[in-house]
Amino acid sequence: GENVEQHPSTLSVQEGDSAVIKCTYSDSASNYFPWYKQELGKRPQLIIDIRSNVGEKKDQRIAVTLNKTAKHFSLHITETQPEDSAVYFCAGLSGGYNKLIFGAGTRLAVHP
Amino acid sequence: DSGVTQTPKHLITATGQRVTLRCSPRSGDLSVYWYQQSLDQGLQFLIQYYNGEERAKGNILERFSAQQFPDLHSELNLSSLELGDSALYFCASSVALAGGPTGELFFGEGSRLTVL
Repeated sequence: GENVEQHPSTLSVQEGDSAVIKCTYSDSASNYFPWYKQELGKRPQLIIDIRSNVGEKKDQRIAVTLNKTAKHFSLHITETQPEDSAVYFCAGLSGGYNKLIFGAGTRLAVHP
Repeated sequence: DSGVTQTPKHLITATGQRVTLRCSPRSGDLSVYWYQQSLDQGLQFLIQYYNGEERAKGNILERFSAQQFPDLHSELNLSSLELGDSALYFCASSVALAGGPTGELFFGEGSRLTVL
C-alpha cells in the first residue's frame, strides 16, 4: 500500500529564512500531492497541491516541487513569518482516488 | 468555518464503552473521510465513503465501524474502547474523490475522545 514519509519531524527557523520540508511516496500510481497546514488546536487546511503533470507550483511565498522519477516532493516556504508556525502534512493518493495518505507531519517553528 | 460539522466536540468515556461520532459533510460533498490523530501524531486514515458506499479502508480496527447514510452524513462507531483509542477524530469531505478535479479535503473541527 501507499506509504508517505516526511522529514524533518521538527524544523526551527528564524523569521525571514526559508523552510523546506520533504516527502517521499511509494505508490508510483499516485498523481496528486497536497500539503495541509494545521495550526495548534485547529483543523488541517489545504495550502497548496500539485498534480503529476506539473513539476512545480507557486503561490506567493509557498512553492511545491515534484520529482516523479525519484518519487519525492517538497514544500518550500520563503520569507517565513511567525504565523507560518504550525504542523505541515504532505499527502499522497493510494488506491486510485480513494485514499489520501498523510505523512507524519513537520512541526515548523518560526522565531521572531 | 469549513462547512463540515462534527459532533460531539468532546467526549469522555470509560474503557469497554461504545461511542458514536457524527459528521455532516459540506453541502454537495459526496465523499466523507475519517482520520484519527493521536497526541502529537499524524493523521491516520481510517475509512472513506463516496455517496453511501465504502470506497477505501485504512488500518481501521475491527472494533471500529462506520457508515454513510442516504443524506450523506456519516457516523463512526467505536466499541470496546481502550485507553489507546483516546484521540482526535477528524471527518473530512470533498466534492468528489480525493484526487479528482476538485480534490481538496475540508476537515471538520474534530471530535476529541478521551477514554479513562
